[in-house]
Amino acid sequence: DTAVSQTPKYLVTQMGNDKSIKCEQNLGHDTMYWYKQDSKKFLKIMFSYNNKELIINETVPNRFSPKSPDKAHLNLHINSLELGDSAVYFCASSQDGASTDTQYFGPGTRLTVL
Amino acid sequence: EDQVTQSPEALRLQEGESSSLNCSYTVSGLRGLFWYRQDPGKGPEFLFTLYSAGEEKEKERLKATLTKKESFLHITAPKPEDSATYLCAVQARSGYALNFGKGTSLLVTP
Repeated sequence: DTAVSQTPKYLVTQMGNDKSIKCEQNLGHDTMYWYKQDSKKFLKIMFSYNNKELIINETVPNRFSPKSPDKAHLNLHINSLELGDSAVYFCASSQDGASTDTQYFGPGTRLTVL
Repeated sequence: EDQVTQSPEALRLQEGESSSLNCSYTVSGLRGLFWYRQDPGKGPEFLFTLYSAGEEKEKERLKATLTKKESFLHITAPKPEDSATYLCAVQARSGYALNFGKGTSLLVTP
């Protein structure tokens, strides 16, 4: 009965490849997020979707494209992977995002680009 | 631009030795200040939300307080299982995203 789940947990790939990370939440929340945690453990927002609609798009290369097939899922697709994309990616969700809702985080996906 | 600065970066305590972690922030209209705990290899785990200056919240050995410029996470008589990285984040009234500090890595030794 995991609240926010991500797959895969580890992803090792070569530069130039395209990969996807999947996220699912079973909390019934309307808003989902992608955060990136770099090697210095700094956690930074990338995207947010509310009811399948993009509401936050920080300065992220357009090689990163989020996709929300329904409000329980927010996937992250990355094209032409670069060495600097190596990081841990966290998915999170909150009730609606419009108030001070608690954001619940998934376990993370550690992406290593060789 | 919103900024969150946490200190110290790392803290080592003996079991039972109380201390405080600091989170200084600047934000254009605070909606909420959040404390999370992160264990190695895991996602951040929610601890507290504080909304206005003067507010305090407690959970077991942890107590979070908030002023207009900073928040403190007080740890009373810590145990080894309290070892983790503690993250502070602010949410501005204008947005949805959490703006995180770099965290304080806490190690409690027996």
